[in-house]
Amino acid sequence: EDQVTQSPEALRLQEGESSSLNCSYTVSGLRGLFWYRQDPGKGPEFLFTLYSAGEEKEKERLKATLTKKESFLHITAPKPEDSATYLCAVQALGANSKLTFGKGITLSVRP
Amino acid sequence: DVKVTQSSRYLVKRTGEKVFLECVQDMDHENMFWYRQDPGLGLRLIYFSYDVKMKEKGDIPEGYSVSREKKERFSLILESASTNQTSMYLCASSSTGGFEKLFFGSGTQLSVL
Repeated sequence: EDQVTQSPEALRLQEGESSSLNCSYTVSGLRGLFWYRQDPGKGPEFLFTLYSAGEEKEKERLKATLTKKESFLHITAPKPEDSATYLCAVQALGANSKLTFGKGITLSVRP
Repeated sequence: DVKVTQSSRYLVKRTGEKVFLECVQDMDHENMFWYRQDPGLGLRLIYFSYDVKMKEKGDIPEGYSVSREKKERFSLILESASTNQTSMYLCASSSTGGFEKLFFGSGTQLSVL
């Protein structure tokens, strides 16, 4: 069974204090790993897809990396507007394979 | 931008009622999905559809059904609402092979009393 574990559950940072969010996964052959951002009262918003170990993607202050067992979402010099819940999901190889989501990491950035 | 619109932001229903949750997307996406989101459990897939009149069960289909009569509209039906179906319901759509880059609606917070 595919599993996704995100840590920590919650993270509080001071504005400008860089950190990383972790997503550990077990899957029978990885088709893709996805990061989403979810603001309170809204649906998740797509950030990145990573397909193979060693791959990296960047968007503004966010950089996602992937190994064979985990993914990191690095946040460089965060701002209060980066406060949100960050969701990680994996999709296994195979036709019609569904996403398995982690429980999310709630990030709060204080000014 | 893709827009996924869910008909209600908040909904309060009684136990035993039949409940319809509606979702419309405006980007001609083939794939549509219904998830529920509960604290401590994350997002769980209820049903999805790859084409009009097609549906497939997700991880937790019990107590739910779906309808997709038109490409842009995907309805979730609670045949007889129960208190354990109180949850945030999220609709999503995608244009690619399946689960790539899902676009989510804002959600419907359903309370069953």
